[in-house]
Amino acid sequence: GAGVSQSPSNKVTEKGKDVELRCDPISGHTALYWYRQSLGQGLEFLIYFQGNSAPDKSGLPSDRFSAERTGGSVSTLTIQRTQQEDSAVYLCASSLRRGGASDTQYFGPGTRLTVL
Amino acid sequence: AQSVTQLDSHVSVSEGTPVLLRCNYSSSYSPSLFWYVQHPNKGLQLLLKYTSAATLVKGINGFEAEFKKSETSFHLTKPSAHMSDAAEYFCVVSVPPGGGNKLTFGTGTQLKVEL
Repeated sequence: GAGVSQSPSNKVTEKGKDVELRCDPISGHTALYWYRQSLGQGLEFLIYFQGNSAPDKSGLPSDRFSAERTGGSVSTLTIQRTQQEDSAVYLCASSLRRGGASDTQYFGPGTRLTVL
Repeated sequence: AQSVTQLDSHVSVSEGTPVLLRCNYSSSYSPSLFWYVQHPNKGLQLLLKYTSAATLVKGINGFEAEFKKSETSFHLTKPSAHMSDAAEYFCVVSVPPGGGNKLTFGTGTQLKVEL
């Protein structure tokens, strides 16, 4: 079957605008994760979903960042009032089970966000 | 808290020679450890994972890693490098159950393979 898909692949926006990034996990995967990859910070965890609920939002850098997941499938990461420091590659991953430590996470290709 | 330290930011080898990418971990629990590879403009791909079964873990493309608790290490090796191995490699530790399997990534090692 298909892997994790993300859209758009690239997004250029102006400072202060809102953006939405979409993730389609592998069918049947109950756990979904968002990560951010930036030059200064490396790869960092943002948020974890189990089904439609988000038991761990500890990585969201500010209240401008939010995410939701509907139908236990598609997830949207929203960044409001974007800042230049939000420029990064946003990665989505999914895993089959309930977030066990040994679960394999499968990553999408990412969305490259550039804030001008 | 869990963390991983990748000891080399860049490694350069000649094609056909062995590869060694070093990783040390810190964990209060028995960790799950992973190596992921990222080719230019591509997504992260799992190479192998350690989950407290065999300490020598074999992965894809001829890579393997050995979990050494006494040294808190999980180094990645390959007997003979190929040009297609050139990529960035990440050592990763997983927060134990209850923490939602949040992955903590090392800073990455850029592998260069020369003719």
